[in-house]
Amino acid sequence: GEDVEQSLFLSVREGDSSVINCTYTDSSSTYLYWYKQEPGAGLQLLTYIFSNMDMKQDQRLTVLLNKKDKHLSLRIADTQTGDSAIYFCAESEERDDKIIFGKGTRLHILP
Amino acid sequence: ETGVTQSPTHLIKTRGQQVTLRCSSQSGHNTVSWYQQALGQGPQFIFQYYREEENGRGNFPPRFSGLQFPNYSSELNVNALELDDSALYLCASSRDRDQPQHFGDGTRLSIL
Repeated sequence: GEDVEQSLFLSVREGDSSVINCTYTDSSSTYLYWYKQEPGAGLQLLTYIFSNMDMKQDQRLTVLLNKKDKHLSLRIADTQTGDSAIYFCAESEERDDKIIFGKGTRLHILP
Repeated sequence: ETGVTQSPTHLIKTRGQQVTLRCSSQSGHNTVSWYQQALGQGPQFIFQYYREEENGRGNFPPRFSGLQFPNYSSELNVNALELDDSALYLCASSRDRDQPQHFGDGTRLSIL
């Protein structure tokens, strides 16, 4: 079945890089997403990558995809206090298809 | 600003009651999906509507139903509410098949 796994917690010092990892099981996954959720808020689409890409960079965010191992990572450079949130890894077969989410990684920023 | 608005933001109901949650999308957003996010979990797909027809359903019982209207608004209806229905309900919409889905801020439903 379809499943997305990610670690539940990550603590990083302010100014360091954060790397959040995710694995997925669905070989038909075409789109892989990273969403951010702040307390009491909805989901903010941070970035997404097509399965035929290895890497995508967008300002402080770098997404790496290893399709063979079904492994996705999100790197946040120069982590700031405003980056404190829950980050969800997710996948879908088509862009408008149902999205399968992981349980989220809570990113905690240390001063 | 995602262009997806949900109402109400919070709602308290009791077991056995019925509830209607609403979502308003940008003009031209033909696809709307609803998700349930229980506390500490990732969102779970409930169903999707495309041009007012149901276009896929997750593992939710029939007491979860929906409607999509020509004005790009939609509803999620839940009958015979149970305690486990307490969750954040999220609506997501996109234009046809060439844009990623964007989420609203959700409705937090509490069942007493």
